Amino acid sequence: DQQVKQNSPSLSVQEGRISILNCDYTNSMFDYFLWYKKYPAEGPTFLISISSIKDKNEDGRFTVFLNKSAKHLSLHIVPSQPGDSAVYFCAASATNYGQNFVFGPGTRLSVLP
Amino acid sequence: ETGVTQSPTHLIKTRGQQVTLRCSSQSGHNTVSWYQQALGQGPQFIFQYYREEENGRGNFPPRFSGLQFPNYSSELNVNALELDDSALYLCASSLAPGQGYSPLHFGNGTRLTVT
Repeated sequence: DQQVKQNSPSLSVQEGRISILNCDYTNSMFDYFLWYKKYPAEGPTFLISISSIKDKNEDGRFTVFLNKSAKHLSLHIVPSQPGDSAVYFCAASATNYGQNFVFGPGTRLSVLP
Repeated sequence: ETGVTQSPTHLIKTRGQQVTLRCSSQSGHNTVSWYQQALGQGPQFIFQYYREEENGRGNFPPRFSGLQFPNYSSELNVNALELDDSALYLCASSLAPGQGYSPLHFGNGTRLTVT
């Protein structure tokens, strides 16, 4: 049973436009969420986080939105750049579970020049 | 700031053998977690070490074991290797549990192939 889902295996976006990556979770105990991007032959790179006390967090071109009632979060990248082409993972944890993060299966983003 | 480093980068082993993977945590971080990433999937939590003790474990059999050393570096040991153990093994460091929300910082991983 997947607790963290990323239902779009892939996404293609034109350079300069907005990329929106979605993530859904089932465990209502999750209260801390992370987004990572991963290039081939490298480890995941931390992008942005959000805790359940917020519904939005911004860092430069990256914004994460959290909808607790829908158990849904999304990552917006504006404007998208070719260097953003990578696999993006969302991850969730519950304070009571320590720092054991559950990852989604990832979405491959391709930003076309 | 020194990031997370893992060794070796690649490893080929035969079914039934044993393997040890190593990880040095990012400076300032005292907690180390290990994840297994199979092809086409997200990382899956194996276990976490804090203060040289296991502090949480995922759904992995006892033949997966670990150590953390006083300098916060860590080892992952896998005994009786199986073909399904072929994966990318990722080490991540973070601040101590209970010190508030802390993202994981990953190394580049060790690619293990079991034949």
